[in-house]
Amino acid sequence: NAGVTQTPKFQVLKTGQSMTLQCAQDMNHNSMYWYRQDPGMGLRLIYYSASEGTTDKGEVPNGYNVSRLNKREFSLRLESAAPSQTSVYFCASSEGRWGDTEAFFGQGTRLTVV
Amino acid sequence: GENVEQHPSTLSVQEGDSAVIKCTYSDSASNYFPWYKQELGKRPQLIIDIRSNVGEKKDQRIAVTLNKTAKHFSLHITETQPEDSAVYFCAAASLDSNYQLIWGAGTKLIIKP
Repeated sequence: NAGVTQTPKFQVLKTGQSMTLQCAQDMNHNSMYWYRQDPGMGLRLIYYSASEGTTDKGEVPNGYNVSRLNKREFSLRLESAAPSQTSVYFCASSEGRWGDTEAFFGQGTRLTVV
Repeated sequence: GENVEQHPSTLSVQEGDSAVIKCTYSDSASNYFPWYKQELGKRPQLIIDIRSNVGEKKDQRIAVTLNKTAKHFSLHITETQPEDSAVYFCAAASLDSNYQLIWGAGTKLIIKP
């Protein structure tokens, strides 16, 4: 049982390049989330998807787009990467609302924008 | 919106002693308070959580206390062990909000042998 799987684990981009971070869960969870984690700060929510077919902005959505491709997959796209987007990105999923049900994190993607 | 402050940023304790990490929150509507442990290079993992209808919750060596009036909650780890070394995060959310957990900045806990 893989849980939440993110790809890639590491990525280096040049400023202005685009890329998509992939996330897939095999727990049949309804809700999925994308967070970023910066040194000395807690996790900040970028986007979330409460259920298949819906997406909503979180605390820091600027510069990102998301797609809930199906119930299993939730991707995060950087259209034009900036150095300020250098961070560790975590995907997470939960069966129901976070707090009502436990959420599980992927292993993270370390992104560096130069 | 909600704001969560966490103290201290680094905590060093002798193995076997207790550790206490404190968080304050600003939104009186918050009613769910989880604590996560993150080991170096790994994903955060839930270790304990509390809801606003209780004041304390224990799980073996870990306990969380909540003071709704003062809007603060604390993580207590007793009989600390080397494997407790990690970064600990608190968070707060209103279950009436749209899934937005607001996280503290984290506490690096160092257990000295």
